[in-house]
Amino acid sequence: KQEVTQIPAALSVPEGENLVLNCSFTDSAIYNLQWFRQDPGKGLTSLLLIQSSQREQTSGRLNASLDKSSGRSTLYIAASQPGDSATYLCAVVGGTDKLIFGTGTRLQVFP
Amino acid sequence: NAGVTQTPKFQVLKTGQSMTLQCAQDMNHEYMSWYRQDPGMGLRLIHYSVGAGITDQGEVPNGYNVSRSTTEDFPLRLLSAAPSQTSVYFCASSRVGRLSSNYGYTFGSGTRLTVV
Repeated sequence: KQEVTQIPAALSVPEGENLVLNCSFTDSAIYNLQWFRQDPGKGLTSLLLIQSSQREQTSGRLNASLDKSSGRSTLYIAASQPGDSATYLCAVVGGTDKLIFGTGTRLQVFP
Repeated sequence: NAGVTQTPKFQVLKTGQSMTLQCAQDMNHEYMSWYRQDPGMGLRLIHYSVGAGITDQGEVPNGYNVSRSTTEDFPLRLLSAAPSQTSVYFCASSRVGRLSSNYGYTFGSGTRLTVV
């Protein structure tokens, strides 16, 4: 059974810091990995999708990497801003096309 | 705008009542699914469908029914609401098949359900 874990569970940093959020999964046979952002009381917004054949994806200040063999992904946020405050979720898709979520990292960036 | 539409956004039910949460997508996605999100439990899969006429159970299916008569719609029915079903419900859609690695999931904005 695929299990996805995110570390840390919560993070509070001053504005301007570069951040690394970690995601690990137990079954390396995945099709892709997706990072989402969720603001309090809101839905999920897709940030980045990494296909199984890719090593990383970039969008603005966000960079996500994928190491299938070790079952790990990292989300790098450069020059963090208070507007980045949210919960970040990673999720993997395997052979059943089911999306399995991690536990999330709650990020707070203070001015 | 293309996407996943969920209705209603908020709902309060009394124990024992039934209701249907609606989900519709206009992206011609084959795959649709329902999740519930609870504090400390994360997002858990309730039911999913890989195409019209095909549904299957996820991790927490008890107390819920689904059907998929069209590609666009995937309603979730609560048969007899219980306080344990108080949660936020999300519908999601995606492509399936051997090219599915090229596509991500799109989520609706959620339905916040309270059962009293």
